[in-house]
Amino acid sequence: DAKTTQPPSMDCAEGRAANLPCNHSTISGNEYVYWYRQIHSQGPQYIIHGLKNNETNEMASLIITEDRKSSTLILPHATLRDTAVYYCIVRVLISGGYNKLIFGAGTRLAVHP
Amino acid sequence: GAGVSQTPSNKVTEKGKYVELRCDPISGHTALYWYRQSLGQGPEFLIYFQGTGAADDSGLPNDRFFAVRPEGSVSTLKIQRTERGDSAVYLCASSFGGGSSGANVLTFGAGSRLTVL
Repeated sequence: DAKTTQPPSMDCAEGRAANLPCNHSTISGNEYVYWYRQIHSQGPQYIIHGLKNNETNEMASLIITEDRKSSTLILPHATLRDTAVYYCIVRVLISGGYNKLIFGAGTRLAVHP
Repeated sequence: GAGVSQTPSNKVTEKGKYVELRCDPISGHTALYWYRQSLGQGPEFLIYFQGTGAADDSGLPNDRFFAVRPEGSVSTLKIQRTERGDSAVYLCASSFGGGSSGANVLTFGAGSRLTVL
């Protein structure tokens, strides 16, 4: 399984962009990068995923480097509700394609007024 | 229902007792996962089901832990002879499963918090 490395914590001012980095230098060609977040006392919530191209949805943007060894999750206008632990996960592709996700410690993002 | 439902939301038990935790996945989701989360750590994989069968139980810590999904929908995680170290939040997730496109995102429930005294 490809391992990911994230900073343990980050701060961001409300209304500014939050850029959360993730290193996954041992990622293989058929592994996707997933981002989930976990707000206090809730289960993890899916944000976005990608293989090699940059991706954008209503929640965030995902920028993957050309060599795929790292990625950045961008929250364009962070709000206080975005305060959470953000997990970068490389998908383990297993038989049948079922999505066994291995979580690390994540990055604790604090958005302040 | 609209989401993954887990019951009970909180369970306090005494060391040595038997505990069952229930998960109702999203209707139509064939894949179901159990995770365990200790304070300050990320979720730890326990087991997942494809339909009724446990396709991967490699994360179960020992034989005191067992899970079933007899009709391919609701699942129950069973813990025998509970120990204080079993205290954690137990999370359930479901997904459509299958395929290789990477689009099979997991939807998690809010979890069952187990406290063993």
